[in-house]
Amino acid sequence: DQQVKQNSPSLSVQEGRISILNCDYTNSMFDYFLWYKKYPAEGPTFLISISSIKDKNEDGRFTVFLNKSAKHLSLHIVPSQPGDSAVYFCAASANTGNQFYFGTGTSLTVIP
Amino acid sequence: EPEVTQTPSHQVTQMGQEVILRCVPISNHLYFYWYRQILGQKVEFLVSFYNNEISEKSEIFDDQFSVERPDGSNFTLKIRSTKLEDSAMYFCASSPGLPPYEQYFGPGTRLTVT
Repeated sequence: DQQVKQNSPSLSVQEGRISILNCDYTNSMFDYFLWYKKYPAEGPTFLISISSIKDKNEDGRFTVFLNKSAKHLSLHIVPSQPGDSAVYFCAASANTGNQFYFGTGTSLTVIP
Repeated sequence: EPEVTQTPSHQVTQMGQEVILRCVPISNHLYFYWYRQILGQKVEFLVSFYNNEISEKSEIFDDQFSVERPDGSNFTLKIRSTKLEDSAMYFCASSPGLPPYEQYFGPGTRLTVT
């Protein structure tokens, strides 16, 4: 039962260009969404979040957009840097529980 | 900067053996979690722990699994009789509160069951 889906397992982008990572969800009870970044041999690291009362949250080069009607969120990284190369996980939670539901991840490669 | 630590980094065990995975959450956090990631698959929630008891668990967390906070700093996951399909990365996480607080993850323990 995949409540959070990341349909692109990988993405390659040139340095300096925009990276767009996408995530879809099915559970309308989700009200909080996060993006985690994961390097090999490390645990996921929190990157940015958004509450369902917003449609955009920005932090430096990272912006998350939420489209509740489409049950879709995206992470924009601009400009992309080689150090951004990692696996990015989308996660969601509902106010009825305290677990996060993760997507399968998208492996981003930023080409110098 | 405070971080979640996990030991060991890699554990190899034979099928049917018991394993204990250890975690030291961030000291002022109140909620503790275990997740696992089977190779190539998504990160899956196992259990959350608050106030010395399980607050939520998934269907994966069956009777073979147990968690404990034996002292003020450690948080452990025990698998009583390991199966081949328990082979995965196990991540411990902690948070100061429920969502919208983010969860801080440890580096993981790779469990290999042979």
